[in-house]
Amino acid sequence: EAGVAQSPRYKIIEKRQSVAFWCNPISGHATLYWYQQILGQGPKLLIQFQNNGVVDDSQLPKDRFSAERLKGVDSTLKIQPAKLEDSAVYLCASSPGGWRGNRGEQFFGPGTRLTVL
Amino acid sequence: AQSVAQPEDQVNVAEGNPLTVKCTYSVSGNPYLFWYVQYPNRGLQFLLKYITGDNLVKGSYGFEAEFNKSQTSFHLKKPSALVSDSALYFCAVRDSEGQNFVFGPGTRLSVLP
Repeated sequence: EAGVAQSPRYKIIEKRQSVAFWCNPISGHATLYWYQQILGQGPKLLIQFQNNGVVDDSQLPKDRFSAERLKGVDSTLKIQPAKLEDSAVYLCASSPGGWRGNRGEQFFGPGTRLTVL
Repeated sequence: AQSVAQPEDQVNVAEGNPLTVKCTYSVSGNPYLFWYVQYPNRGLQFLLKYITGDNLVKGSYGFEAEFNKSQTSFHLKKPSALVSDSALYFCAVRDSEGQNFVFGPGTRLSVLP
């Protein structure tokens, strides 16, 4: 079974530029998550999708971050414009089943390391 | 708001000795508790979870965790540590509605040969 795929693996941009990350979850997984992991900290949930609908985006900085999951499969996270404090690893994860019923085990991708200069 | 605390940034243990990585939590309603491990240059991997039932749950690689409701704790344990267990360990909690996943800050485990 293929795992969660993410691209790119690394990205370096200057502040005020835009950047986009892509995630393809495990086939058949209904729930998809985007996390931000700053060095030395635990992952922070940015947004949670159930199929193509948003379940939780309470911690997503909506003035600069956006995410979509068209057709309920792969997803894109965008930052526009980027700030220095956005430097982090962006993790995508997926879970089988619905967001209420799923038992919470998440399968993580390798992450995208973003450096904002 | 939910929260997770991992009071130790670093835990050192000799190979073959038992290990414990501590976690305490705060959540409204019944907690769903998880442990994940992050090896260098690899993604987060699920170890084990507590949803309901027996307070002692067993997971991957010989790890287990004990849920203690009165102390709001979910400590990770292993009877005999291996050098290969050296990694970053994260405790996480979500509420019973399936939302509000919160990860702790992580504990770095070093198993010394």
